[in-house]
Amino acid sequence: EAQVTQNPRYLITVTGKKLTVTCSQNMNHEYMSWYRQDPGLGLRQIYYSMNVEVTDKGDVPEGYKVSRKEKRNFPLILESPSPNQTSLYFCASSFGGRIGSPLHFGNGTRLTVT
Amino acid sequence: AQSVTQLGSHVSVSEGALVLLRCNYSSSVPPYLFWYVQYPNQGLQLLLKYTTGATLVKGINGFEAEFKKSETSFHLTKPSAHMSDAAEYFCAVSDNFGNEKLTFGTGTRLTIIP
Repeated sequence: EAQVTQNPRYLITVTGKKLTVTCSQNMNHEYMSWYRQDPGLGLRQIYYSMNVEVTDKGDVPEGYKVSRKEKRNFPLILESPSPNQTSLYFCASSFGGRIGSPLHFGNGTRLTVT
Repeated sequence: AQSVTQLGSHVSVSEGALVLLRCNYSSSVPPYLFWYVQYPNQGLQLLLKYTTGATLVKGINGFEAEFKKSETSFHLTKPSAHMSDAAEYFCAVSDNFGNEKLTFGTGTRLTIIP
C-alpha cells in the first residue's frame, strides 16, 4: 500500500530534550516536506526537500533540522524543543517536478513539549 | 508571494443541504489550486485540483470546485451534504513553476446537522 509513515503518533517530552520524528514513504517520491498545524493558522511549511541531499527552509524553520540521506526517509529533528513547538506535525511527499502533483500526507505526530 | 483566504473557520449545514466552502487566493502568476480534506486523527487527502483547462473541476465524494480568475476564487461545493462529509477542509495554492510549494489556507471545519 502506498503510504507516508510517521512515527511516533504521539510524543510528550520536556524542554531541551532532543527528539527525532521519523518519516518514510514507499512511493519513490522525490519531493518531501514537513508541516506543522496549529489552530487558526492552518498548515505551515517547516522544511522541504526536492531530492536526496537537497533540503531548504520553508516558512517556519527556526528550531528544526532535517536531513535527506535516502530518498524514502526525511526525519525531522528538534535539537532543543521548546513549548512553542507543541503542535501537530505532518510529513508529506509527492513526485517532484511534476507540476500539480498532489501531496500525500502521513497521519501526523502530535507533539507536546512541557 | 501567494496566499489563500478561507472565509469562515466553521460552517454548519443540514444533511441534504448544499455545501459551500469559500476560498480566495492571491498569486502573481497563474496558480495551481487544491482542496484537501482532513478527517479526525488523519492526515490530509486530496479532494480535487485545478491546474489548467476546464475551470469546473470534479473531485471525490461528489465535491466540485470552480476556478474563477476574475474573482480570484476557488469555492468548493457539494449539492447534498452527507454526515460523512464532516471534516476540516483546506484550500491551497501553488505557483506553476513546479517547485511543489503549497501555501495552505487556515481551514474550514464543516459540521453536518442531522
